[in-house]
Amino acid sequence: EVHLMESGGGLVQPGGSLRLSCAASGFTFSDYWMSWVRQAPGKGLEWVANIKQDGSEKYYVDSVKGRFTISRDNAKNSLYLQMNSLRAEDTAVYSCARRGYGSGSYFPSYDYWGQGTLVTVSS
Amino acid sequence: DIQLTQSPSFLSASVGDRVTITCRASQGISSYLAWYQQKPGKAPKLLIYGASTLQSGVPSRFSGSESGTEFTLTISSLQPEDFATYYCQQLNSYPLTFGGGTKVEIK
Repeated sequence: EVHLMESGGGLVQPGGSLRLSCAASGFTFSDYWMSWVRQAPGKGLEWVANIKQDGSEKYYVDSVKGRFTISRDNAKNSLYLQMNSLRAEDTAVYSCARRGYGSGSYFPSYDYWGQGTLVTVSS
Repeated sequence: DIQLTQSPSFLSASVGDRVTITCRASQGISSYLAWYQQKPGKAPKLLIYGASTLQSGVPSRFSGSESGTEFTLTISSLQPEDFATYYCQQLNSYPLTFGGGTKVEIK
């Protein structure tokens, strides 16, 4: 059974840093692109970052470029998000998600999600 | 960036109703569109990918279609467990984007 479990959230002051982790199990982690998606309290979903299977390609939403870094350790089946220079508007539940493909399809989607970890940026 | 405009943002319906949610893309995205269902405090659940392919295990009352840059999620007969918020997402190009969501509530 596929399982994604985030950790590392908490309360941090503006300008501070936090490192989120996502532990994956139940599938061959190194075969999949992985992503971070966030959801501010009472708001909709926002894609944050993607990373290729071998870590050679990374993409970010403009609002976090230069501040957040996505990475992975395939030996540990883990995904990470290093968040620096945090702002109040970064307050959200951060979830990791697997980018998968349906059987015989070349159309991607996020087929598995973790429950998320809450990051609160406040003084 | 590709904008996805979902409508309506809020929908009140009864059990058994046919429900349609629309997602309009600001430019062509081929069929690189997915639909998700999210219940309060829970992770999103994949319903549809490739604009019209039903994810394994999802009830057949859910269906997706496309016409140009307009995509539709239809629930043929609303069930009590379907009251939730629905999001579309385009995976055609970066930055990946989601629609603003449609909250389906009980009338």
